[in-house]
Amino acid sequence: GNSVTQMEGPVTLSEEAFLTINCTYTATGYPSLFWYVQYPGEGLQLLLKATKADDKGSNKGFEATYRKETTSFHLEKGSVQVSDSAVYFCALSGPYGANSKLTFGKGITLSVRP
Amino acid sequence: DAGVTQSPTHLIKTRGQQVTLRCSPKSGHDTVSWYQQALGQGPQFIFQYYEEEERQRGNFPDRFSGHQFPNYSSELNVNALLLGDSALYLCASSIRVLEGYTFGSGTRLTVV
Repeated sequence: GNSVTQMEGPVTLSEEAFLTINCTYTATGYPSLFWYVQYPGEGLQLLLKATKADDKGSNKGFEATYRKETTSFHLEKGSVQVSDSAVYFCALSGPYGANSKLTFGKGITLSVRP
Repeated sequence: DAGVTQSPTHLIKTRGQQVTLRCSPKSGHDTVSWYQQALGQGPQFIFQYYEEEERQRGNFPDRFSGHQFPNYSSELNVNALLLGDSALYLCASSIRVLEGYTFGSGTRLTVV
């Protein structure tokens, strides 16, 4: 079945540092890939998505590229801010289209120090 | 435009009791999915409703059941509560022809 593996956390960075959060997946067919963010006490917010190989999703300075050859969807940001502190989840949907169930990774907590 | 609304936000139940959680989808969305998020874990898919029918189901026992109403709102029912059912329950809505889900803030269920 489908699965998502995220790097172990938590991650603590200083403000303006470069961020990489690794995500790899196992899936049949051609899944859509997502990054969701969860701020304390809140639900999940869609950060970015990519629906086919080599697509790059981007939002709020975050980027991730759908790499089918390495089955990866790593999240990057060039300069993190304190306000980026949250839990980040990689997820996939499919193979029956983007409205299929989402399979999530365990999530990783990011803390950014001033 | 209101997003996904869930109620209640918190509740405490005793082991063996039954609970009903409610979800109103984002305006224009016709599909509702439910997820269980245990502390420190990623959300796990429970089931999805479309046109008042359960279309997909995750690996959850029959104690978990649901319903979708003609106005697309949905309920999640859990019978014979166990301590392990304590979690954040998230509702997500979507439109079949569009991509991505909008999540509510969740209901925090504590079973004691």
